[in-house]
Amino acid sequence: AQKITQTQPGMFVQEKEAVTLDCTYDTSDPSYGLFWYKQPSSGEMIFLIYQGSYDQQNATEGRYSLNFQKARKSANLVISASQLGDSAMYFCAMREYQAGTALIFGKGTTLSVSS
Amino acid sequence: NAGVTQTPKFRILKIGQSMTLQCTQDMNHNYMYWYRQDPGMGLKLIYYSVGAGITDKGEVPNGYNVSRSTTEDFPLRLELAAPSQTSVYFCASTEPGDQPQHFGDGTRLSIL
Repeated sequence: AQKITQTQPGMFVQEKEAVTLDCTYDTSDPSYGLFWYKQPSSGEMIFLIYQGSYDQQNATEGRYSLNFQKARKSANLVISASQLGDSAMYFCAMREYQAGTALIFGKGTTLSVSS
Repeated sequence: NAGVTQTPKFRILKIGQSMTLQCTQDMNHNYMYWYRQDPGMGLKLIYYSVGAGITDKGEVPNGYNVSRSTTEDFPLRLELAAPSQTSVYFCASTEPGDQPQHFGDGTRLSIL
């Protein structure tokens, strides 16, 4: 069954350091997309980055990059040069294009950035 | 551009009461979704719609109903509120393909 696993309940990093948030997925659909969302303490869901299953290169958006290893079924989010404003909950999500259109979410990782 | 708008932002209900959570989007998206987020958890799909007049159940549909009479609006109805429905509810919309879902700010619902 389709599933998203985020094994790190909480991560701690200092300002200006890089941090990797882990995400593994399970699907039998050959066509899928992987998304990362940020949820600050205010509660809204903010889209960060997308990776398609057929994309040859890892996605990047500013300080965010996605380390996509298809054979390992992992899609880790890398945040470079962490900032205090990066403190939030981060969710990995998957969309299977044959099975439907909705997102399947992991349980999330809480990132705390300290000065 | 307002995006996805949810009302109300907060609500307290008594057990057995009914209410409708409103969701409207101004992006002309065909696909709309309702999710719930329980404390410390990810989002779970309640219902979704791929266009006006078409709705389908998600992972956790029991106790809820939806309708989609227009492209813009996708209300979620709770008929007999139960404490297990205490949660944060998110509405989202998107277009098919690799487009991200756009989320509303959520409705925090407590049932006492």
